[in-house]
Amino acid sequence: SQTIHQWPATLVQPVGSPLSLECTVEGTSNPNLYWYRQAAGRGLQLLFYSIGIDQISSEVPQNLSASRPQDRQFILSSKKLLLSDSGFYLCAWSVSDNYEQYFGPGTRLTVT
Amino acid sequence: GNSVTQMEGPVTLSEEAFLTINCTYTATGYPSLFWYVQYPGEGLQLLLKATKADDKGSNKGFEATYRKETTSFHLEKGSVQVSDSAVYFCASTDSWGKLQFGAGTQVVVTP
Repeated sequence: SQTIHQWPATLVQPVGSPLSLECTVEGTSNPNLYWYRQAAGRGLQLLFYSIGIDQISSEVPQNLSASRPQDRQFILSSKKLLLSDSGFYLCAWSVSDNYEQYFGPGTRLTVT
Repeated sequence: GNSVTQMEGPVTLSEEAFLTINCTYTATGYPSLFWYVQYPGEGLQLLLKATKADDKGSNKGFEATYRKETTSFHLEKGSVQVSDSAVYFCASTDSWGKLQFGAGTQVVVTP
């Protein structure tokens, strides 16, 4: 069966520090991968999606970047965090012929 | 582009009450429709789905019917439990297969 992992589960970082969040999917090949952010009390904002290695699309211009070093690994990064980057970051995957997305447990990021 | 609108929360109910969460969508073509549930501190879980008009998705006592004529996909449950307290998200696919989510509706069920 397929599983999705995210780490770390929680993170507290000062403003201006770098960020690296990792997402790994097991049990499937060539998944579509997604990064979402959920601000407190608000809905989901799609940040990046990837339909393959070296194919990453950004939905909104911002302080973040994404990379996909391996087929089932998706990394969210920042060189310098802002206070507004605080939130709950969710990774998700889907297969190309099925629009269902399956979510990881999330990373709670607090920028101080 | 596509969009999803769902009723604002929080919705507060007593245990065993009937729950309805309204969801409407705008889309070109025929999107697939989903309901996701998010328990506190967790990621989203797929609750149910419908892929074509008049399809009814169901799971864990929840149901939703894909109504093309009213562009709606309302979520219902006949008798809620305290364990159903969560945030519920309606979503539809866009023409590129990505999901468009509603803003979420918090449901609070009291004993």
